[in-house]
Amino acid sequence: AQRVTQPEKLLSVFKGAPVELKCNYSYSGSPELFWYVQYSRQRLQLLLRHISRESIKGFTADLNKGETSFHLKKPFAQEEDSAMYYCALSGLGNNQGGKLIFGQGTELSVKP
Amino acid sequence: DGGITQSPKYLFRKEGQNVTLSCEQNLNHDAMYWYRQDPGQGLRLIYYSQIVNDFQKGDIAEGYSVSREKKESFPLTVTSAQKNPTAFYLCASRPRGGWDNEQFFGPGTRLTVL
Repeated sequence: AQRVTQPEKLLSVFKGAPVELKCNYSYSGSPELFWYVQYSRQRLQLLLRHISRESIKGFTADLNKGETSFHLKKPFAQEEDSAMYYCALSGLGNNQGGKLIFGQGTELSVKP
Repeated sequence: DGGITQSPKYLFRKEGQNVTLSCEQNLNHDAMYWYRQDPGQGLRLIYYSQIVNDFQKGDIAEGYSVSREKKESFPLTVTSAQKNPTAFYLCASRPRGGWDNEQFFGPGTRLTVL
């Protein structure tokens, strides 16, 4: 079965602390993994994807195929990072309609 | 102003009524998607369309219907058969073809059934 699991509903950290949002997936083919973010009163937007291996706003995520994980990390959290974060999976390529499978979401709260 | 627009922002419906949510995009994207967002459940796919005049059911299509008569538009009708329609509805689009499956999202419509 294709599934994305984000075990934490809420993650609360203090400003300057490291943060790690967990994401595990189950997929039989070659997955494409994404992290989407939804700030308060803003639309859902892409934060980063595993294919580009980039760092956005200080966040990084590495695809670990052995552990089937795609955890999102940032060494020093900022208050403006407070948002809802969704991990999502799609089949690599275009043979499945480009459908995204989303995790349940993790709300990150960064306290001053 | 380019992008994906959804209207209305808030919608109230009485039980037993059908209601249609609008989604328009001027990004020249072929594929469009409807998701339902509920707290603690993430986003779940309702319907999607890869090309005009064609669409497929997603994971939770029961009680919903769609049409795709124009490339720019993908309206979603929430029918009276949908047992729990109160939710936040998100529309998304993506260029068809290529290897990149990134989707671009609209601002959403919050539907409340009274």
